[in-house]
Amino acid sequence: DTEVTQTPKHLVMGMTNKKSLKCEQHMGHRAMYWYKQKAKKPPELMFVYSYEKLSINESVPSRFSPECPNSSLLNLHLHALQPEDSALYLCASSQNLGTATGRQETQYFGPGTRLLVL
Amino acid sequence: GNSVTQMEGPVTLSEEAFLTINCTYTATGYPSLFWYVQYPGEGLQLLLKATKADDKGSNKGFEATYRKETTSFHLEKGSVQVSDSAVYFCALRGSSASKIIFGSGTRLSIRP
Repeated sequence: DTEVTQTPKHLVMGMTNKKSLKCEQHMGHRAMYWYKQKAKKPPELMFVYSYEKLSINESVPSRFSPECPNSSLLNLHLHALQPEDSALYLCASSQNLGTATGRQETQYFGPGTRLLVL
Repeated sequence: GNSVTQMEGPVTLSEEAFLTINCTYTATGYPSLFWYVQYPGEGLQLLLKATKADDKGSNKGFEATYRKETTSFHLEKGSVQVSDSAVYFCALRGSSASKIIFGSGTRLSIRP
């Protein structure tokens, strides 16, 4: 099973709202990722977690706040977003980061949450 | 730094035509190479991968061979179907990096 699930599938929020995106995997993967994808563009990396600790933050604004409560779950908390933050938010996971062993670990993606900020 | 260049789309073909989507890369060391597919309204799915030179990845009739001498990983399929209509992303992951570098994506449309 190589399934990564994400909820909700769609989300509409105002600029003053607080909402959260959720991601879950049960493959025993210890690395999890958040990506943002604008229309007709490739995904852009936002955050990487490794063994529940934040490993990479790609200079993402503080209105996006990631959280990894356990090895299976990854959340993205949203607050005071702007209309330009509207996009498809993709979660991915891999067995680990792969750098320690020199092996490159394949990332498996969820279906995404389509976010519209009004 | 690492980068991926893939052919501009959109690519429009008739059903049963032969498909090639070109992908070339720039990387130090020995990256792993991937093709991901994104169907309309969905997330990315791993289509195939290759982790070392001369490896051939294959899945669902698609193939790509890791060519280190030409730094290429072209995607091919002998006979496309309408259901293959999607956006295809070539990607690499460097030997010492945890992030994937994606190409810009190629939109493929297949006419019945």
